Amino acid sequence: GENVEQHPSTLSVQEGDSAVIKCTYSDSASNYFPWYKQELGKRPQLIIDIRSNVGEKKDQRIAVTLNKTAKHFSLHITETQPEDSAVYFCAAKEGTYKYIFGTGTRLKVLA
Amino acid sequence: DAGITQSPRYKITETGRQVTLMCHQTWSHSYMFWYRQDLGHGLRLIYYSAAADITDKGEVPDGYVVSRSKTENFPLTLESATRSQTSVYFCASSTGTGGSPLHFGNGTRLTVT
Repeated sequence: GENVEQHPSTLSVQEGDSAVIKCTYSDSASNYFPWYKQELGKRPQLIIDIRSNVGEKKDQRIAVTLNKTAKHFSLHITETQPEDSAVYFCAAKEGTYKYIFGTGTRLKVLA
Repeated sequence: DAGITQSPRYKITETGRQVTLMCHQTWSHSYMFWYRQDLGHGLRLIYYSAAADITDKGEVPDGYVVSRSKTENFPLTLESATRSQTSVYFCASSTGTGGSPLHFGNGTRLTVT
């Protein structure tokens, strides 16, 4: 079945630096790749997503890149701020309902 | 997102008891989902529903029952709670179209003693 691997599991960066989180997926039929941010005790919230026919998408300080050939996608956060500290999950969607999540990356932005 | 609500937020129950977690959405999304979140496992799908009266198993369905008599509601029942079901449970909904994200509820933290 589909599997999504996410790395690193924890990431510490200095405020103002960039952070990169990487995910790989196994099923070439996956067609949609959302990223979620989850703050402590709260729900996962969508921060950016990308469809399989797009290579890159950017929204202010956040960008996602997709390499379909290599089956990996990455989240890039620039100019990190303390409020970016959270757990980030990647996911790959196959068909209409099947979302497979990575195991999460705990990002700490050090002031 | 205010359009999907879960209740209760916190629940403590004893082993062997039946407990039902509620989920209600106001978007008329076709798809609804139940996930559990455990440290080291991320989010795992328990059950999902494509429409009213259509439900199917996910990755970890054992010990759980769902129903969906109305589009907006998708309750999750633990028929005889076990300690291994201690977890945070998230309900989510989606339109089901290709590029549609999941919208999560606030979660229910369930402790089985």
